[in-house]
Amino acid sequence: QQQVKQSPQSLIVQKGGISIINCAYENTAFDYFPWYQQFPGKGPALLIAIRPDVSEKKEGRFTISFNKSAKQFSLHIMDSQPGDSATYFCAAGDSNYQLIWGAGTKLIIKP
Amino acid sequence: GAGVSQTPSNKVTEKGKYVELRCDPISGHTALYWYRQSLGQGPEFLIYFQGTGAADDSGLPNDRFFAVRPEGSVSTLKIQRTERGDSAVYLCASSLLALNTGELFFGEGSRLTVL
Repeated sequence: QQQVKQSPQSLIVQKGGISIINCAYENTAFDYFPWYQQFPGKGPALLIAIRPDVSEKKEGRFTISFNKSAKQFSLHIMDSQPGDSATYFCAAGDSNYQLIWGAGTKLIIKP
Repeated sequence: GAGVSQTPSNKVTEKGKYVELRCDPISGHTALYWYRQSLGQGPEFLIYFQGTGAADDSGLPNDRFFAVRPEGSVSTLKIQRTERGDSAVYLCASSLLALNTGELFFGEGSRLTVL
């Protein structure tokens, strides 16, 4: 019940395309859903986060869509650029302080 | 410095040796976390400090692992009698307040290789 399942494991998208990464969770106590971006040799960095009181949040080219009833949330990257090539992690947290992380998606944007 | 600093960036040691990994969090951040990340995996929680005290050490794999934060700032993760399975990147993160109201700021990690 504590797992966060992330898919796909890897993704190749043409430059200018839309990249979509999906996550699913079981624990209904989760109320904070961040996405982190990690480049090789670096620590993860917060990209965007959402709480379950909204169904969508957009920041620039990055959008989180949240479906509370389905217990799913996804990251959309519009107009994907080679600089977006990285590993993306979804995570989920509750009123506690721990985040439960997905296994990551390696995204490659082809020029 | 402006970010979370971790030293060493790389550590190669032999099985059975003792290792210390250091984390210098962002100034003023009261919460500090240690995670472990294996290749192709997401970060795995190890321990969380709020101030000087370890608020939750439930993620430490066994009693060979120990962490301290004596003055509420710098933290040291200590691993005794290292095993090959301890090889991973150890990530430190800090946040202004206790999670999960906000952002975790991660360091670049300490890559530990146990031969």
